[in-house]
Amino acid sequence: QVQLVQSGAEVKKPGSSVKVSCKASGGTFSTYVFSWVRQAPGQGLEWMGGIIPIFGTTNYAQTFQGRVTITADESTSTAYMELSSLRSEDTAVYYCARTPRSEVTNFGMDVWGQGTTVTVSS
Amino acid sequence: AIQMTQSPSSLSASVGDRVTITCRASQDIRSDLAWYQQKPGKAPKLLIYVVSSLQSGVPSRFSGSGSGTDFTLTISTLQPEDFATYYCLQDYNYPWTFGQGTKVEIK
Repeated sequence: QVQLVQSGAEVKKPGSSVKVSCKASGGTFSTYVFSWVRQAPGQGLEWMGGIIPIFGTTNYAQTFQGRVTITADESTSTAYMELSSLRSEDTAVYYCARTPRSEVTNFGMDVWGQGTTVTVSS
Repeated sequence: AIQMTQSPSSLSASVGDRVTITCRASQDIRSDLAWYQQKPGKAPKLLIYVVSSLQSGVPSRFSGSGSGTDFTLTISTLQPEDFATYYCLQDYNYPWTFGQGTKVEIK
């Protein structure tokens, strides 16, 4: 059974950076889209960006452009999300999720990590 | 970016009711629309992808329809475990975008 296991909770100071990992176990890794989705307290879901490891291609939401970097290590089947210049509004739960894809369509984020709470506080 | 407008933002319903949630895209997204269910403190769960394809293990009381810009999630007979928040997502082009969510509460 495929699982995505994320790194643990983080507490960060404003202006610093955080890097969250998402390790896939079981199944293939490289051909999927791995997305990062954020949820601030009491708020909805926000897609931050994604990567297709086999191509190394990344796409980001405009809201996070310039502050977020998504990478993937095929040798360890791990995706990473780094968010810089943290501010209090970045306090949220961050999820990774896997999307099976074909050349013509995507098939939904079918496996999700457990979520990583990032708290930004001075 | 494509805007996804979901309605209603919340609704109250009783067990056994038929529930319909709609999602409108700001431009044509063909059939690249998925629906997710989220319960408090939990990761979202995929219900439906490509408008109407039911994810494995999801009860058949959930169904999706639509194309182009207008889409619908229907729960045919609401069950106690269905009280949750539902989100649509377009994955037609980047950046992918979610609707703002619909909270289904107990009447």
